[in-house]
Amino acid sequence: AQKITQTQPGMFVQEKEAVTLDCTYDTSDPSYGLFWYKQPSSGEMIFLIYQGSYDQQNATEGRYSLNFQKARKSANLVISASQLGDSAMYFCAMREGWNSGYALNFGKGTSLLVTP
Amino acid sequence: GAVVSQHPSRVICKSGTSVKIECRSLDFQATTMFWYRQFPKKSLMLMATSNEGSKATYEQGVEKDKFLINHASLTLSTLTVTSAHPEDSSFYICSARTSTTDTQYFGPGTRLTVL
Repeated sequence: AQKITQTQPGMFVQEKEAVTLDCTYDTSDPSYGLFWYKQPSSGEMIFLIYQGSYDQQNATEGRYSLNFQKARKSANLVISASQLGDSAMYFCAMREGWNSGYALNFGKGTSLLVTP
Repeated sequence: GAVVSQHPSRVICKSGTSVKIECRSLDFQATTMFWYRQFPKKSLMLMATSNEGSKATYEQGVEKDKFLINHASLTLSTLTVTSAHPEDSSFYICSARTSTTDTQYFGPGTRLTVL
């Protein structure tokens, strides 16, 4: 079964607008971590934001915020004031439990294109 | 902080040769390193998890004799693709984490092309 689901293969947003990238996850473990990474065409994976399952507040990092809805098992990434440099693949990932060796399960990714 | 390097960034080799890829954590000690493989326009697939000083744990379907992983120190892990074949051509990317953080930091990746 897919642990991380990203239903949007591609998204467009106009520069300076906000965009939400969807991510839902599936786990029965009460302790988990959720991550978003950005992968530009160069291939490097850039860490953006982290949300722990026990964190009370939604994580924010600059223009990135994570809309964490635990009951719905969703962890959407919100990018505010999009910039042309935000065009990239975005991956949602989950670290499940503490016995998994901290390995990450990745979603299939969403390709974001920011237009002028 | 939290910089991970990979070397080489790109390698082209003949079928049957072995290729070694290095992954280094430059400014932190990595208790655990991970090796992923990524096909074009696909997600990352975990190949193995390696802890310093112990044998790597391979994911199901990953041949440990073909993909040799060594994690000799807290800052270095190597992946050796032995007797490479064209189907091994892929983007290999490593990540590292410390014992005190949940976050994995990724290297820039290595693009392997086997002719």
